[in-house]
Amino acid sequence: DTGVSQNPRHKITKRGQNVTFRCDPISEHNRLYWYRQTLGQGPEFLTYFQNEAQLEKSRLLSDRFSAERPKGSFSTLEIQRTEQGDSAMYLCASRKQTSTITDTQYFGPGTRLTVL
Amino acid sequence: RKEVEQDPGPFNVPEGATVAFNCTYSNSASQSFFWYRQDCRKEPKLLMSVYSSGNEDGRFTAQLNRASQYISLLIRDSKLSDSATYLCVVGSGNTGKLIFGQGTTLQVKP
Repeated sequence: DTGVSQNPRHKITKRGQNVTFRCDPISEHNRLYWYRQTLGQGPEFLTYFQNEAQLEKSRLLSDRFSAERPKGSFSTLEIQRTEQGDSAMYLCASRKQTSTITDTQYFGPGTRLTVL
Repeated sequence: RKEVEQDPGPFNVPEGATVAFNCTYSNSASQSFFWYRQDCRKEPKLLMSVYSSGNEDGRFTAQLNRASQYISLLIRDSKLSDSATYLCVVGSGNTGKLIFGQGTTLQVKP
């Protein structure tokens, strides 16, 4: 257990429904990242927060995706009008902001989304 | 072309074997490099950071060649518990976001 928690762990939904995932990072970590991983691929970066500010979004993050981190603590990732192509593992990671670029990102267990 | 490229394998080796994984990255400005390990249906976990001088952690040795933009991982005396997917990872820019390779699957057999 890395100290990063994600809920729910599994989500099955029907196409067209909205889903929301939550990530609780390690408490003193001010940087939070979302990644998406599909079968047989490595994780792909989606978006990044420093405290409450969303500072970078990938082109993978279509208009149907929105992420927030109110008060710089937990974060939510919402997918509207889900599509079958959204089926993946959604991973959250957190990190301290330090001067050391090699500082580790700690990953949560992920939320596995299946869109039927 | 992917930013980080790895041979997906699988690599099937007997216990006790030495196995080497390689990867290449495309962004010459990359500053941080890692190997992560991922077990089936679990989250990635940091195995080791990779430094230009090369570094070793027990049976694991990582090397970085900046000129060739090439990263390697050597596992000596393979154990059954080493069976996993090994992800080559490059840190990108000031945000610290990670760029992952596809992963290389290792299966160690008795």
